[in-house]
Amino acid sequence: GNSVTQMEGPVTLSEEAFLTINCTYTATGYPSLFWYVQYPGEGLQLLLKATKADDKGSNKGFEATYRKETTSFHLEKGSVQVSDSAVYFCARSGAGSYQLTFGKGTKLSVIP
Amino acid sequence: GAVVSQHPSWVICKSGTSVKIECRSLDFQATTMFWYRQFPKQSLMLMATSNEGSKATYEQGVEKDKFLINHASLTLSTLTVTSAHPEDSSFYICSAPDAVGTDTQYFGPGTRLTVL
Repeated sequence: GNSVTQMEGPVTLSEEAFLTINCTYTATGYPSLFWYVQYPGEGLQLLLKATKADDKGSNKGFEATYRKETTSFHLEKGSVQVSDSAVYFCARSGAGSYQLTFGKGTKLSVIP
Repeated sequence: GAVVSQHPSWVICKSGTSVKIECRSLDFQATTMFWYRQFPKQSLMLMATSNEGSKATYEQGVEKDKFLINHASLTLSTLTVTSAHPEDSSFYICSAPDAVGTDTQYFGPGTRLTVL
């Protein structure tokens, strides 16, 4: 079945550090790939998405590239801020459906 | 962007009682909505797909008689946890795509259920 594996946290970084959160997915069908972010006390928000191989999703300084050859969709940001502290979820869509399969989430804490 | 609301945001109930959670799409119509359950420090687990005007589709291992889903209109889906027990305590989240054919979903803020 479909699955998503992302690096386990928590991840603690200093402000302005470089961020990478790894995510790999099972290569069944032609899924769309997503990163969702959950700020403390809030619901999930779509951060970025990519719908086909080699697409790059980007938003708020975050980016991720759909790599079919490595079945990966790693999240990166060049300089994190304290306000980026949240839990980040990688997800893939099902084959021809809206259903999302999520990774376990990675908690990011950015310290001043 | 599209907005999905949930009510209540948190609820505490006694064991054996039933609790209803509402999920509303505020500025768009949703023929399909999804219900997830999130345990502390864990990912979202899809419970069921709610379909307007028809029966919900439940994921394997989810008791349909315990988690009743009703999608009576294009903007409202409800999840009723019947005869709740402490192990049902969790964070319940709904989501909906904002248009047919799109795979981008919008999530409600979630409902924290605590069963005493």
